[in-house]
Amino acid sequence: QVQLQESGPGLVKPSQTLSLTCTVSGGSISSGSYYWSWIRQPAGKGLEWIGRIYTSGSTNYNPSLKSRVTISVDTSKNQFSLKLSSVTAADTAVYYCARDSYYYGSGHAFDIWGQGTMVTVSS
Amino acid sequence: EIVMTQSPATLSVSPGERATLSCRASQSVSSNLAWYQQKPGQAPRLLIYGASTRATGIPARFSGSGSGTEFTLTISSLQSEDFAVYYCQQSGTFGGGTKVEIK
Repeated sequence: QVQLQESGPGLVKPSQTLSLTCTVSGGSISSGSYYWSWIRQPAGKGLEWIGRIYTSGSTNYNPSLKSRVTISVDTSKNQFSLKLSSVTAADTAVYYCARDSYYYGSGHAFDIWGQGTMVTVSS
Repeated sequence: EIVMTQSPATLSVSPGERATLSCRASQSVSSNLAWYQQKPGQAPRLLIYGASTRATGIPARFSGSGSGTEFTLTISSLQSEDFAVYYCQQSGTFGGGTKVEIK
């Protein structure tokens, strides 16, 4: 079955760029009509969608983060990645990658999630 | 931007009882709504999509209803493993969550 695993630095300095990668195993990132999303969750708080990418490379971002976010895909490595620039302490959170399925007439749903990775922004 | 509002923030329920969670959208989202369950230290799990379709492997005690701006997640008879936080989601927006705790 398809599994997702996040990887990247757990500590990023303020003003720098946060970079994470999600590796998809058990299936091809290019198969099926799936999007691939990043979602984050500060400690003790709710979920915030960051953005999604389709395997064609088309992207959609949360308007509140759009100026700082870049999501890319590498189909040869079965991975997709997140870059978040100019980070501050407010970007400290658990970051999840998720498979984002679009059901016609039913909308988007995140049906497979990675375990999440904690990223702390601190000097 | 669509805003999703969940109520109540916390719901205290005894095991075996019914739990009813609400989610309201600031404008119509048709049936484009999903529900998730999250337990401490775990990633969320998809329960319902399309407002009322259970995801693979989800027990029948979980049911979703509604369309437009008003949605409901019902857990018919709460089991010990159901005490968790529940989120609704429409496209790129999540509600603030409802914590279901033991009464």
